[in-house]
Amino acid sequence: GDSVTQMEGPVTLSEEAFLTINCTYTATGYPSLFWYVQYPGEGLQLLLKATKADDKGSNKGFEATYRKETTSFHLEKGSVQVSDSAVYFCALFSNFGNEKLTFGTGTRLTIIP
Amino acid sequence: SQTIHQWPATLVQPVGSPLSLECTVEGTSNPNLYWYRQAAGRGLQLLFYSVGIGQISSEVPQNLSASRPQDRQFILSSKKLLLSDSGFYLCAWSRRDRGLQETQYFGPGTRLLVL
Repeated sequence: GDSVTQMEGPVTLSEEAFLTINCTYTATGYPSLFWYVQYPGEGLQLLLKATKADDKGSNKGFEATYRKETTSFHLEKGSVQVSDSAVYFCALFSNFGNEKLTFGTGTRLTIIP
Repeated sequence: SQTIHQWPATLVQPVGSPLSLECTVEGTSNPNLYWYRQAAGRGLQLLFYSVGIGQISSEVPQNLSASRPQDRQFILSSKKLLLSDSGFYLCAWSRRDRGLQETQYFGPGTRLLVL
């Protein structure tokens, strides 16, 4: 079945550091890939997405590239801010049988000033 | 624009009491609707999803149930809560007229504590 494996957290970085949160997936066919962000006490918000191989999703300085050859969708940001502190979820949507979002377990990111 | 509402925002209930959480979507019609649970320190678990009024699919057998009495209303219920039902409940919607690779949009969530 479909699965998403995310980098274990928590991750703590200093402000302006470079961020990478790893995400790899297993799916049948050609899934769409997503990063969602959950700020403290809130629901999930879509951060970015990519729907086919080599697509790059970007938003708010975050980027992730759909790599079919490595089945990965790593999230990156060049210079993080305190306001980026949140839980980040990688997810996939596959329309082969299981037409639902499959989420990773989430990675808690804390940015210290 | 589309908005999704959930209430209540927080709820503290005793074990064995009933539960009703409500989710409504505005600004769209005929959405797919979803209920997720996020237990403390864990990822999201899909509980139910619905592709239309009265059509509910259950992902995990448990003491929870869902209903969709109207096109844009999705209700999560329980007759008797368990301690293990504590968690953060999220409702989400997606468009059905855009194909299958669809983005889901989440509500603000309901935090449930069962004592």
